Amino acid sequence: GQSLEQPSEVTAVEGAIVQINCTYQTSGFYGLSWYQQHDGGAPTFLSYNALDGLEETGRFSSFLSRSDSYGYLLLQELQMKDSASYFCAVTPIGRGYQKVTFGIGTKLQVIP
Amino acid sequence: DVKVTQSSRYLVKRTGEKVFLECVQDMDHENMFWYRQDPGLGLRLIYFSYDVKMKEKGDIPEGYSVSREKKERFSLILESASTNQTSMYLCASSSTGTNPYNEQFFGPGTRLTVL
Repeated sequence: GQSLEQPSEVTAVEGAIVQINCTYQTSGFYGLSWYQQHDGGAPTFLSYNALDGLEETGRFSSFLSRSDSYGYLLLQELQMKDSASYFCAVTPIGRGYQKVTFGIGTKLQVIP
Repeated sequence: DVKVTQSSRYLVKRTGEKVFLECVQDMDHENMFWYRQDPGLGLRLIYFSYDVKMKEKGDIPEGYSVSREKKERFSLILESASTNQTSMYLCASSSTGTNPYNEQFFGPGTRLTVL
């Protein structure tokens, strides 16, 4: 099975950098994803790491280390609109590979 | 743009009622999913379908059933609604063939209250 752990809440200042960590226990997975969900909105896909290392998409970067069973989402130049919940997720290997298992989410509050 | 729509944003039902939640996607995706989202519990998979008339149980299927008669439509059915099924229900879809990131596209959600 899969389990993912991430902090429930993080607060950061506008303009700063914040890192949201995700540790996981899984029997095998294709990749680690990140989703963003604003209050009242639908989750939307942010990034995916199939291989170890850093993937950068504008102000957002995501990192994966399979040897450490660890990943993180890095948000730079924080803006007020980045206040949202962020979910890490894994795509498990094997039957049902279309499935994605989500963490409980980290609520990010950006303050002025 | 991929569009996933759900039949209602808010729904109020009474205990014991049969409830249908409908989801439609317009991108010819093979896979469709139903999740429920509760505070502190994240997104939990109820059922998913990888083809018409095919379904598989997710992590919390008890008390739910699903139907997929057409590729674009995936229905979640609560046979006899109970108060512990009060939740936000999210539908999602994804493509198998052209989706290296296994990206899922979500609908806006249905907030169901069972009284």
